[in-house]
Amino acid sequence: NAGVTQTPKFQVLKTGQSMTLQCAQDMNHEYMSWYRQDPGMGLRLIHYSVGAGITDQGEVPNGYNVSRSTTEDFPLRLLSAAPSQTSVYFCASSYRGPSEGYTFGSGTRLTVV
Amino acid sequence: QQQVKQSPQSLIVQKGGISIINCAYENTAFDYFPWYQQFPGKGPALLIAIRPDVSEKKEGRFTISFNKSAKQFSLHIMDSQPGDSATYFCAARNTGGFKTIFGAGTRLFVKA
Repeated sequence: NAGVTQTPKFQVLKTGQSMTLQCAQDMNHEYMSWYRQDPGMGLRLIHYSVGAGITDQGEVPNGYNVSRSTTEDFPLRLLSAAPSQTSVYFCASSYRGPSEGYTFGSGTRLTVV
Repeated sequence: QQQVKQSPQSLIVQKGGISIINCAYENTAFDYFPWYQQFPGKGPALLIAIRPDVSEKKEGRFTISFNKSAKQFSLHIMDSQPGDSATYFCAARNTGGFKTIFGAGTRLFVKA
């Protein structure tokens, strides 16, 4: 099925642990982004990419790293997990174009204890 | 710094009524204004979108009204149905298409 695939769906981490949230899309989309969703705060942009090898910071990048070695994959790395990173994480992708909206993955619910 | 402000936070509407959600933006460099619908446990899904050279766009029961001078846009859901109960997010994408910023969301509940 064409779309955005996120793994894992759920994850519990201990403070200080690191992990990678995976995101893959099979639609040949140029744009990919990572958002976190917290109650009352909507979706906040963490990092985004406009193509393979090109990434940039969003609104809340601290504590996260990204890379984009292929068009399909855009992993998000938590370097040293903190309780403040407890959230639902969404990956999204879109074509490059004036009227293109995002296709979102189903999310990863992360709890840091 | 929230560049897109959305209201209300929550909304209860009777079946058959009109649901209205409002958003205001600050950055004049935005050039694309989508609305997303999210059901519990799912990712947001694109519902309807508008570009600033148009004042209104209608798709079925969903209409976006856009006021460029006031830097405001709104979503109207006509004949609201219980199946419309979801969280709605407005968003704005900056010129060049590199970043999309979201509002805080509105939880809509349509009473049967």
